[in-house]
Amino acid sequence: GAVVSQHPSWVICKSGTSVKIECRSLDFQATTMFWYRQFPKKSLMLMATSNEGSKATYEQGVEKDKFLINHASLTLSTLTVTSAHPEDSSFYICSTSGGVGTDTQYFGPGTRLTVL
Amino acid sequence: QKEVEQNSGPLSVPEGAIASLNCTYSDRGSQSFFWYRQYSGKSPELIMSIYSNGDKEDGRFTAQLNKASQYVSLLIRDSQPSDSATYLCAVGNYGQNFVFGPGTRLSVLP
Repeated sequence: GAVVSQHPSWVICKSGTSVKIECRSLDFQATTMFWYRQFPKKSLMLMATSNEGSKATYEQGVEKDKFLINHASLTLSTLTVTSAHPEDSSFYICSTSGGVGTDTQYFGPGTRLTVL
Repeated sequence: QKEVEQNSGPLSVPEGAIASLNCTYSDRGSQSFFWYRQYSGKSPELIMSIYSNGDKEDGRFTAQLNKASQYVSLLIRDSQPSDSATYLCAVGNYGQNFVFGPGTRLSVLP
């Protein structure tokens, strides 16, 4: 399966600051990546679909101006949480589709964000 | 609205037993079906995918798909304590995003 990395694996920041999370597809070119958020003991919630070279598609209720997504290359998508607040503290996970002819999603290891 | 449902559990089975996890979905047009395992504090990892009606076996895992009943299941034979995790069912339709179920928490008791 596809290998996906995320950086950083965890981050602690002060309220009001911005945090950037990187998602890299290491072994194939991903035209589409997905960003999820997961609160403790809750299920995965899709935030947005990141498309290389075009604007991301956000799910209903997700603020596009707060969660900035950039997918500038076929191997890298970034999620920036702007003006973070304690309620943004969560586990952020990206995934990529497995390539041409398959819609299997492979997940990165996740980034745990804590906003003080 | 497309929905995927799973019993939240916890499902408790003794070590060595068969664990049976179930999933139903609402979209009859769904084409692809996946089971992921998620350990606490970790991201989901793919266990199996299945696309055709019937059974698909991989080691101790067997996925079963019945499109007419809109039902997909995962059987884990010879359950081990290391199988204790949350199991996520995901349903897809090529070209569209997955819909994930809420997950079933499995506890394998030594």
